[in-house]
Amino acid sequence: DGGITQSPKYLFRKEGQNVTLSCEQNLNHDAMYWYRQDPGQGLRLIYYSQIVNDFQKGDIAEGYSVSREKKESFPLTVTSAQKNPTAFYLCASSIRAGVVENQPQHFGDGTRLSIL
Amino acid sequence: DQQVKQNSPSLSVQEGRISILNCDYTNSMFDYFLWYKKYPAEGPTFLISISSIKDKNEDGRFTVFLNKSAKHLSLHIVPSQPGDSAVYFCAASARGRAGGTSYGKLTFGQGTILTVHP
Repeated sequence: DGGITQSPKYLFRKEGQNVTLSCEQNLNHDAMYWYRQDPGQGLRLIYYSQIVNDFQKGDIAEGYSVSREKKESFPLTVTSAQKNPTAFYLCASSIRAGVVENQPQHFGDGTRLSIL
Repeated sequence: DQQVKQNSPSLSVQEGRISILNCDYTNSMFDYFLWYKKYPAEGPTFLISISSIKDKNEDGRFTVFLNKSAKHLSLHIVPSQPGDSAVYFCAASARGRAGGTSYGKLTFGQGTILTVHP
């Protein structure tokens, strides 16, 4: 059963620590995305990757880093430079980057990050 | 700069009636629009989309209408069911050049909480 798996579901970080959120997909999609959702706001794009070994900054990339060493995996690291990391983080994938009708982005179930 | 806006934070509807969720956008380059549905603690799931060459797209109980001159789209759910209770996000995309920084990027609205009462 194909899908996107995000782990962990809940994550707590101490101030000054880096944490890494996992995102794995078995949909054979080329493109992957990381979004952040804050209360009362829409999803905002952090980073995206169109293909393995490639990634681009989104609208709010400061304080975050990513890697795309494998097609299936797109981990997100929230660094200590991110001053307001408490949020709900969503990973998504699509068959390829760009608008493809009837091939929308599919989302994982998210990771909720909180600061201790 | 909120390029996609859902001005109604919440909507309450009786079961069996029509639900109408609205979305406005400001960027005239947007040419593909989507609606996603989201339950608490889950990721959004795709509902329906529409290209700017159309003004209506229908899929079962869900119909999306696009008014390009008004830069407005709406999602109609008929008849509404209690299981439709969720947060609904509209999203928009502008076709860009391959490899460009905005290529395929989705811009989301803030979401509308729909509650369907039995």
